[in-house]
Amino acid sequence: DQQVKQNSPSLSVQEGRISILNCDYTNSMFDYFLWYKKYPAEGPTFLISISSIKDKNEDGRFTVFLNKSAKHLSLHIVPSQPGDSAVYFCAAQLPAGKSTFGDGTTLTVKP
Amino acid sequence: KAGVTQTPRYLIKTRGQQVTLSCSPISGHRSVSWYQQTPGQGLQFLFEYFSETQRNKGNFPGRFSGRQFSNSRSEMNVSTLELGDSALYLCASSLEPGGSHSPLHFGNGTRLTVT
Repeated sequence: DQQVKQNSPSLSVQEGRISILNCDYTNSMFDYFLWYKKYPAEGPTFLISISSIKDKNEDGRFTVFLNKSAKHLSLHIVPSQPGDSAVYFCAAQLPAGKSTFGDGTTLTVKP
Repeated sequence: KAGVTQTPRYLIKTRGQQVTLSCSPISGHRSVSWYQQTPGQGLQFLFEYFSETQRNKGNFPGRFSGRQFSNSRSEMNVSTLELGDSALYLCASSLEPGGSHSPLHFGNGTRLTVT
């Protein structure tokens, strides 16, 4: 049972436009959500997070939205840059528990 | 501050052998988690250690084991290797144990190939 799902394996956008990456989860006990970015031959790096008591968190070009009733979160990147091309993983944490990751979405930003 | 260091970066083993992977966390981090990533798959949780104690374990067979030392360094061992164990093994450290809203800091992984 995959509790965190990223249904789009890949996404391609034009430089300067908005990138929207989506993530769905099934366990309502998750209380913290994170996005990580991964370049080839490197480990994932933390990007942005949101607590379940909030519905939005913004950090520069990156904004994460949480819709608890729909068990859905999304990452918005505005404006998208070629350097944003990477694999993006959504992760969810249980209280006092491990981080559960989605399968990742490969974002390609075209110049 | 040095990041998470994993050694070796690449490893080729034969079926039936065993392997030990090493991870040095960021200084001051006491939590170490291990994940397996296979092509097209997300990160599958193996286990988490905090202060030398295993806190959580994923759904992997007993051939996969780990330990953490008093200096927070961690090792992961896989015995009786199978072809399906070929993967990127990622170690991550955090200041606080899992579930405490601490992000994970990952190493660059060990690429294990089983032939």
